[in-house]
Amino acid sequence: EIVLTQSPDTLSLSPGERATLSCRASQSVSSSYLVWYQQKPGQAPRLLIYGASSRATGIPERFSGSGSGTDFTLIISRLEPEDFAVYYCQLAWTFGQGTKVEVK
Amino acid sequence: QLQLQESGPGLVKPSETLSLTCTVSGGSISSRSYHWAWIRQPPGKGLEWIGNIYYSGSTYYNPSLKSRVSMSVDTSKNQFSLRLSSVTAADTAVYFCATAEMAPRPRFDPWGQGTLVTVSS
Repeated sequence: EIVLTQSPDTLSLSPGERATLSCRASQSVSSSYLVWYQQKPGQAPRLLIYGASSRATGIPERFSGSGSGTDFTLIISRLEPEDFAVYYCQLAWTFGQGTKVEVK
Repeated sequence: QLQLQESGPGLVKPSETLSLTCTVSGGSISSRSYHWAWIRQPPGKGLEWIGNIYYSGSTYYNPSLKSRVSMSVDTSKNQFSLRLSSVTAADTAVYFCATAEMAPRPRFDPWGQGTLVTVSS
């Protein structure tokens, strides 16, 4: 069973700053299967990135994904107020534990 | 554009069976392009995949829940359903249904809004 570990657990940043979120798999995986979601309180997760680097429909260009093998990254180039949320990575049927991006 | 909506009791007694239905609109549940998924989230915690079902009735369950889970699909109503037996307080969660797009780049999209199910006597 593949385990996904996200880091950090919490990221405290200010609007306009760059956010770098990490997702590490316990073994090498195909990048085709790596997905990122954003979840705000009281809402369902929202698809951001699939196939490690493809933005979903309607997702702003400030969100980008990259990585291969065991290490994957979600970057938010300049945080907007609406970007403060919890972010989950997913591989097949496994989710990471989430990274909370909070206002510093 | 696909939309999904969960429905079912918000309170279930311990040892009983949780039953939820997801109604799909904006597309056919018989589409060969999609599987249909249930995912849950305990309060304040992360996401847990429960299982997928295809319109044909083929199912794929999380091994940790497999002994208690069953899913079904009703193509005439454009709905799919979840049953989770012998529930305990640990099954208290927001339950989401979602569209599972499979190969070559699988993802869950879109999701229903979620429904909170509390297990309590």
